[in-house]
Amino acid sequence: GQQVMQIPQYQHVQEGEDFTTYCNSSTTLSNIQWYKQRPGGHPVFLIQLVKSGEVKKQKRLTFQFGEAKKNSSLHITATQTTDVGTYFCAGPSGTYKYIFGTGTRLKVLA
Amino acid sequence: SAVISQKPSRDICQRGTSLTIQCQVDSQVTMMFWYRQQPGQSLTLIATANQGSEATYESGFVIDKFPISRPNLTFSTLTVSNMSPEDSSIYLCSVAKGVGTDTQYFGPGTRLTVL
Repeated sequence: GQQVMQIPQYQHVQEGEDFTTYCNSSTTLSNIQWYKQRPGGHPVFLIQLVKSGEVKKQKRLTFQFGEAKKNSSLHITATQTTDVGTYFCAGPSGTYKYIFGTGTRLKVLA
Repeated sequence: SAVISQKPSRDICQRGTSLTIQCQVDSQVTMMFWYRQQPGQSLTLIATANQGSEATYESGFVIDKFPISRPNLTFSTLTVSNMSPEDSSIYLCSVAKGVGTDTQYFGPGTRLTVL
């Protein structure tokens, strides 16, 4: 079946360092979404990418959708303690539902 | 966006009993979903709650174990039946306003512990 994997599983960084998580799908995706889940919280939608090679920025966060639409990345520049949490990518499965990636847990050391 | 509430926020239950989780949205939505999330793990879709008809279950989840109701466009319930310790998890309700692949908004979750 369709799988969405993320690497790394965990990442510890010093505050101010950059962070990147990679998302890889076993199938071509029509779009990809990213969510952030703070410790003890629920997933919160960050962004959706639709076009091949698309790059979108949200302040210190840069999201990229691969040319083949099978992979994506999230890069955070100069991490802050507020960036702590688990980042999930999610790819559509069928016409109305999503499969969530395995997630990358980010810890930022002050 | 959508504001979603879930009840209860947490519960501790005895094995063999059942728990019903409620999900209420502040506006009408097209899609409502139920997920399970084990500690430190990703989200696994249990089923899609369909308004006025039977829910659509994912592989590995059955109606007898997880009966779902959706009487209208703002409310759904998930029941975890005949619970065992393996059912201990966080159960999340999510909604999408549009049809097709749309942004999902999640409720705060219900943390269930089965003894």
